[in-house]
Amino acid sequence: SQTIHQWPATLVQPVGSPLSLECTVEGTSNPNLYWYRQAAGRGLQLLFYSVGIGQISSEVPQNLSASRPQDRQFILSSKKLLLSDSGFYLCAWSDLAGYEQYFGPGTRLTVT
Amino acid sequence: QKEVEQNSGPLSVPEGAIASLNCTYSDRVSQSFFWYRQYSGKSPELIMSIYSNGDKEDGRFTAQLNKASQYVSLLIRDSQPSDSATYLCAVNGVTTSGTYKYIFGTGTRLKVLA
Repeated sequence: SQTIHQWPATLVQPVGSPLSLECTVEGTSNPNLYWYRQAAGRGLQLLFYSVGIGQISSEVPQNLSASRPQDRQFILSSKKLLLSDSGFYLCAWSDLAGYEQYFGPGTRLTVT
Repeated sequence: QKEVEQNSGPLSVPEGAIASLNCTYSDRVSQSFFWYRQYSGKSPELIMSIYSNGDKEDGRFTAQLNKASQYVSLLIRDSQPSDSATYLCAVNGVTTSGTYKYIFGTGTRLKVLA
């Protein structure tokens, strides 16, 4: 069966500091991978998606970036965090058809 | 107009009752619809997907889809306190580069009273 991991689970970072969140998927090959952010009281916002190694598409312009160095690894980064980057960051995967998405446990980021 | 709309709730139902959660969407070409359950502080968990008009049943859960009315609902029979969570509706959309993506509603908070 497929498993998706995210770390760290929680993170408190000062404004202006860098960020690196990691997501890995087990038990499947060539997954579509997604990064979402869920801000308090708001819906899930798609940030990035990837259909293959090195293929990243951004949905929302911002100070975040994503990379996919391996088939089942997806990384979310920032060079300088803003207060508005606080939120619950979720990684998700789907098969190539992309119909059903499955979420990882998430990373709760607080920027102070 | 929001692309996917849900009543934020909370929707309170007594234990053993039927909980009815509703979702409307704006894009007539949407073809795939999903319900997720999200416990407080946790990530969303997929509980139902539906692609055709009508009802789809899975245990205590029934998803109902009416594409003509752009309406999808989730019924939870014999509601239990453990069903208390936020339920997210998701509808397929298309990214800026033409690939498949989800559009989520903001969720309905359900409280099942013991």
